Amino acid sequence: GQQVMQIPQYQHVQEGEDFTTYCNSSTTLSNIQWYKQRPGGHPVFLIQLVKSGEVKKQKRLTFQFGEAKKNSSLHITATQTTDVGTYFCAGEADYKLSFGAGTTVTVRA
Amino acid sequence: EADIYQTPRYLVIGTGKKITLECSQTMGHDKMYWYQQDPGMELHLIHYSYGVNSTEKGDLSSESTVSRIRTEHFPLTLESARPSHTSQYLCASSTPYSNQPQHFGDGTRLSIL
Repeated sequence: GQQVMQIPQYQHVQEGEDFTTYCNSSTTLSNIQWYKQRPGGHPVFLIQLVKSGEVKKQKRLTFQFGEAKKNSSLHITATQTTDVGTYFCAGEADYKLSFGAGTTVTVRA
Repeated sequence: EADIYQTPRYLVIGTGKKITLECSQTMGHDKMYWYQQDPGMELHLIHYSYGVNSTEKGDLSSESTVSRIRTEHFPLTLESARPSHTSQYLCASSTPYSNQPQHFGDGTRLSIL
């Protein structure tokens, strides 16, 4: 079945630094979605990428969809304490959405 | 913010009790989902529904059952709770089309003593 792998599982970042989290699928995806879950909260939809090679930005967050539509990345610049949480990617194939295990981000002030 | 509601938010209950976790959405979404999530861990899909009278088991085996008698309502039931059922249960919904996000409720944190 479809598998979505996400690395790293944990990311400890110094405030102000940049980092990237990666998402890889075993199958070609029709789209990839990113969610953020704050500690104690529920996943909240951030963005969706549909086109091969697509790049979208939300302020300090840059999302990219691979050319083969099997991988994606989320890059955060100038990390802030508000970026704390777990970031999940979710890949859709055959109308089924599969979530990665998430990257949990902590920030050192 | 999405209109999807879960009750109760927290539940502490003894072993052997029958439990029903409620989930309702007011968006008219056909697809609904139940996920189980331990603190800080990944989401495990345990049940989903394409619409009224449709229920399917998810990727993770679960002793719970679900029903979908009305579009807006997707309750999850544990007939006899055990400590291994202690977890957070998240309900979500989406439209039936491709390329659509899932909207999550606040979750129910369940503790079985």
